[in-house]
Amino acid sequence: GAGVSQSPSNKVTEKGKDVELRCDPISGHTALYWYRQRLGQGLEFLIYFQGNSAPDKSGLPSDRFSAERTGESVSTLTIQRTQQEDSAVYLCASSDPHRSGANVLTFGAGSRLTVL
Amino acid sequence: GENVEQHPSTLSVQEGDSAVIKCTYSDSASNYFPWYKQELGKRPQLIIDIRSNVGEKKDQRIAVTLNKTAKHFSLHITETQPEDSAVYFCAANHYGGSQGNLIFGKGTKLSVKP
Repeated sequence: GAGVSQSPSNKVTEKGKDVELRCDPISGHTALYWYRQRLGQGLEFLIYFQGNSAPDKSGLPSDRFSAERTGESVSTLTIQRTQQEDSAVYLCASSDPHRSGANVLTFGAGSRLTVL
Repeated sequence: GENVEQHPSTLSVQEGDSAVIKCTYSDSASNYFPWYKQELGKRPQLIIDIRSNVGEKKDQRIAVTLNKTAKHFSLHITETQPEDSAVYFCAANHYGGSQGNLIFGKGTKLSVKP
């Protein structure tokens, strides 16, 4: 696609429910990232996928968080048993490090999660 | 793992003045340092980046300097304009278990007063 697409754009859920967020990266981009941005805060790294390598999961804050990626396309971020502190914008980004020689990230518009 | 510290957290300048934002990183293996600009309600976008084989890079009113020995890099914006008002994030790549991951600083909110 022309850009990184994320869905849903907004999600309101009740505490304890599971949520699934989706990211469609730019076609051909081998690298995919998930970041969390709380209101007025910075970009908190969650997980990084690069091609067929094992993902870097070092940023996932707890075992309630998990992510998968199908080949070099769609990724889903799953948050189980949501808590109020999970409320944030979840940003996905993709890049093509082999083409540009550097990881220039293109971000999606984000999925805003509100846990009541 | 990589740790990126960014200062100041907020910066207010008069239009036409210069603005400087500084970052430090911890991983001596890092070799790529981008800067992203995030306008209110929008997604972050790359504005400039530098690799470790150069010490300075300029693009019109913005420049980035890198000191690998001290492990710090800075963003310089000259002749600031109101449209420069945004949150700026520095980042460094981290070669832990996988290549190319980017770790961001906490951001600097720049306000340019007309």
